[in-house]
Parts: sequence; structure tokens; C-alpha cells
Amino acid sequence: DIQLTQSPSFLSASVGDRVTITCRASQGISRYLAWYEQKAGKAPKLLIYAASSLQRGVPSRFIGSGSGTDFTLTIASLQPEDFATYYCQQLNSYPFTFGPGTKVDF
Amino acid sequence: QVQLQESGPGLVKPSETMSLTCTISDGSINTYYWTWLRQSPGGTLEWLGFITYTGNTDYTPSLRSRIAISLDTSNKQFSLRLTSVTAADTAMYFCARQQLRFDAFDVWGRGTMVTVSS
Repeated sequence: DIQLTQSPSFLSASVGDRVTITCRASQGISRYLAWYEQKAGKAPKLLIYAASSLQRGVPSRFIGSGSGTDFTLTIASLQPEDFATYYCQQLNSYPFTFGPGTKVDF
Repeated sequence: QVQLQESGPGLVKPSETMSLTCTISDGSINTYYWTWLRQSPGGTLEWLGFITYTGNTDYTPSLRSRIAISLDTSNKQFSLRLTSVTAADTAMYFCARQQLRFDAFDVWGRGTMVTVSS
């Protein structure tokens, strides 16, 4: 199975901050990477697919980049509704796997 | 806008079989991949398997001997069956949709909590 690691696991930030989360795959996955946002008690919500494509309806402050084994999710200017946990997921090969998550909090 | 809704018992006894159903509303069951995932109480997300609109399936290797996903196109539902459950199967179970086999999951149900306990 392809392992995904995320850093940091916890991030303390303020409204207006530029926030960057990193996801690293144990082997190359081309651009088969997605990012999800999850708030407490809710299902994950797709933000970014194919490493850098913005899902319809997601604000443009969410920016994905990377390919191969190293990927980043950047929130250009953190908004109050962005405090959540963020997960990366690889879709290069089965079984699809997720990173352990990064919690963004105050 | 398509919506997914999970349903099933919230409590299952160890060694028994759990069954969950996902109902698809306001959308077609055709052309998509329909998926089950779960999230442990600690937050770990795990992909369990999928079924296509033609009935093809694939499962995560660690559960392959205990899992089955089936499709009911007339009722626009798909179901998860997991046998011989243990406490390790306690989790929030989600159903989700993929447009193509290697696409991200763009629509999710709200999830249903399943606890395995005697």
C-alpha cells in the first residue's frame, strides 16, 4: 500500500494567515492526489483533485500543487470557516489511502 | 444536486454481520463508482471498496475475506456487508461517489456510526 504522511499534524494559525500543509507519498503517484476538508461531525469535503484542480464551488484561496511524491495545500488567507482538519488522499493505485490529517486551529 | 444517505443499525454484536445501505437521491446511479469508506474514532480514514453501475467490485485487501458491496439499481441503493465484526470495526461509515475509477470522491453521505459491542 502507498503510505501518505502529512506535516504538520497540528497547526495554530490566525485569520488572514497564509497556511501550508505538506503531504508526502511513499512512492510516486504522479498527480493522483486529492485534498479534503473535514469539520467536526461532518463528512469530508473535496477541495482539490488531480493535485491542483479546484473543485467547483471551493474558494480560490485553496491552492494545491505538487507531483510525484511531494504535494502541498496552501490556504492563501485563512478565513474563520477554514478551521478544520485537512486530509490528503492518493488515487494512483488501490487500495486508495489517506494521510493522517492536519488540524488547523487557533 | 445528488445526495447520499447511509442507513443501518448503530450497534452490532461481535462476530455478527453488519449491513449498511446508501440511498442515492436526486441523481443517476449510472456511470459512477459507488464507494464505502470508514473513519475510526481516532480519525483515520480508510477506503473499503467500490461497486460500479455494472456491478463490478473491488475491495481493500485487508477486508477482502469479510466484505461485500452490492447494488440495487431499481431502488438507487448500494449496500455494504461486513461479516465477523470485532471492536476494530467500530467506526463512522461513509458512502461516496466517484465519477471515474481514479477520480476523487466528490459527493459524500453524512455518515453513520457503527459500534461493535456486546
